[in-house]
Amino acid sequence: QSALTQPASVSGSLGQSITISCTGTSSDVGTYNYVSWYQQHPGKAPKLIIYDVSNRPTGVSDRFSGSKSGNTASLTISGLQAEDEADYCCSSFTTTGIWVFGGGTKLTVL
Amino acid sequence: QVQLQESGPGLVKPSETLPLTCTVSGGPISTYYWSWIRQSPGKGLEWIGYIYYSGTSNYNPSLKSRVTISVDTSKNQFSLSLRSVTAADTAVYYCARGGSWYHHFDYWGQGALVTVSS
Repeated sequence: QSALTQPASVSGSLGQSITISCTGTSSDVGTYNYVSWYQQHPGKAPKLIIYDVSNRPTGVSDRFSGSKSGNTASLTISGLQAEDEADYCCSSFTTTGIWVFGGGTKLTVL
Repeated sequence: QVQLQESGPGLVKPSETLPLTCTVSGGPISTYYWSWIRQSPGKGLEWIGYIYYSGTSNYNPSLKSRVTISVDTSKNQFSLSLRSVTAADTAVYYCARGGSWYHHFDYWGQGALVTVSS
């Protein structure tokens, strides 16, 4: 069981928008603005797409955005493209000084 | 462009020690913190620990009694040693840049699959 809770799967049609939630506790997501999101294609290493809740690294499409409310962080992908089909995982720093991850969400683009 | 590359055995026997090395290229290993993260088959990611070039380290309490992470600045490498392994330690092990004040992981190695089996 992962420390952060994500839906196992989400789906959306080409061009639409989807949102993936990441629920933690007051010991992680609720306390720190250190939530990051990773995209992982099969057999590949995770790729950072959002850090510190809502910041995008250089080179990441602005179709990816992040937000947080209370103990839940969210990743929104707008204008879905076929290449967005992948697993998405959230992470948060915690009050115990470690990083925890979600179980991952498989995005299917219809 | 920073690049990371894991190396080590793909098969380790139960009760033995799992050794992995990460070679960093494209920049010095100093300045940043460096972490090991693993992903068990069909499961989520698990942060193992980090090290700084000075040798300062921090580990996940769930693995702390069995883990040592070390650094060799002359080779721009850092290493993982996981002792007394069991089948539950079978996973893809990633090295990544991040840890401490750098609260995300922005560069990752391609991953090394390590299977624990006799």
